[in-house]
Amino acid sequence: GQSLEQPSEVTAVEGAIVQINCTYQTSGFYGLSWYQQHDGGAPTFLSYNALDGLEETGRFSSFLSRSDSYGYLLLQELQMKDSASYFCAVRDNYGQNFVFGPGTRLSVLP
Amino acid sequence: EPEVTQTPSHQVTQMGQEVILRCVPISNHLYFYWYRQILGQKVEFLVSFYNNEISEKSEIFDDQFSVERPDGSNFTLKIRSTKLEDSAMYFCASTYTLGGEQYFGPGTRLTVT
Repeated sequence: GQSLEQPSEVTAVEGAIVQINCTYQTSGFYGLSWYQQHDGGAPTFLSYNALDGLEETGRFSSFLSRSDSYGYLLLQELQMKDSASYFCAVRDNYGQNFVFGPGTRLSVLP
Repeated sequence: EPEVTQTPSHQVTQMGQEVILRCVPISNHLYFYWYRQILGQKVEFLVSFYNNEISEKSEIFDDQFSVERPDGSNFTLKIRSTKLEDSAMYFCASTYTLGGEQYFGPGTRLTVT
């Protein structure tokens, strides 16, 4: 089977840095994606890691360690609008079956 | 900027009725997906579609579900005989290449009474 684990909730203040972890157990692995979802909205793509290391896109960075089956999303200079749920997602090596994690609800406080 | 569109935004139906959820993926995309999300829960993969056929489907996608790309632009999800537990938000997504970024539509909220 395939499973992903994320913390259910994270709280931080404006301007801070927060890290959301994701561990996965999948039959194969193609890459790890991160999506943001505001209440009532659709998931929107943030980042994708197919290889080990850090990918940076503005205030957001994502890291992957395939040997540890682990990745994280790093959000810097937090803003109130970053309050949302964040999902990691894995595509296994052969199929087009994308498995999403349970999501982490981030609350940014003033 | 191109976007995925879905209609209707909200569908209310009675148990046992058939519903068709419609999606228009981004025009040059090649891979199409349906997901569902029960309120407050995670996004669940239903089915992927490429080259006019189903590529992969999850355990959720049983015989009551079907997908079609009838005219080269629309991508539909049909639920033949809805159950109460089918109540959820249904998202369509598309992508040009495998892996990486998927573009999600705004979703259709299905309520089965």
